[in-house]
Amino acid sequence: AQTVTQSQPEMSVQEAETVTLSCTYDTSESDYYLFWYKQPPSRQMILVIRQEAYKQQNATENRFSVNFQKAAKSFSLKISDSQLGDAAMYFCAYRGYYGQNFVFGPGTRLSVLP
Amino acid sequence: GAGVSQSPRYKVAKRGQDVALRCDPISGHVSLFWYQQALGQGPEFLTYFQNEAQLDKSGLPSDRFFAERPEGSVSTLKIQRTQQEDSAVYLCASSLDTSGRWDTQYFGPGTRLTVL
Repeated sequence: AQTVTQSQPEMSVQEAETVTLSCTYDTSESDYYLFWYKQPPSRQMILVIRQEAYKQQNATENRFSVNFQKAAKSFSLKISDSQLGDAAMYFCAYRGYYGQNFVFGPGTRLSVLP
Repeated sequence: GAGVSQSPRYKVAKRGQDVALRCDPISGHVSLFWYQQALGQGPEFLTYFQNEAQLDKSGLPSDRFFAERPEGSVSTLKIQRTQQEDSAVYLCASSLDTSGRWDTQYFGPGTRLTVL
């Protein structure tokens, strides 16, 4: 079974600074998808960014980018120019190529300090 | 609709009561998922529907949990004889799921169930 690990239960960053959230996963599959979701206090999960495992190029969405290291099974999220609205729980998620459901990590709570 | 909606947002039940949680997916979305999120943890998969067919229920923790989606749109998660360990947020997600493997799951706000 696949597992997702987020080793940082909590992180904090100064407004306008950069922060990196870590995620590692375990799988025997060669093709899969990886996602970062954000869950603000309102509780609605919002997709931040996604990556196809067969693509070597790291995904980027505005201030959000990933560092995908397939051999190391690592998928970290970098948030640049952090904003107060970035404060939330961040979940790393795995989806197998032939699977449907997501496997989520335990989450990292990000605080943004003014 | 504009997004996935869930009702009720909050439910308090006495131990032993039955509860029903409702999910309205995004219109036209084929796939629907239920997840259970314990306090301070990531969501855990419960069950998955493609249209009205329940294709995977491997995550349901016991036979007290039952889900249905009879017309391929609205889904109901029912928990019979609730126990304190059932206290959690129950999240519903839907995805378009045509031929692409990409399909992003769009989540509802969740129902927070508290069993006393």
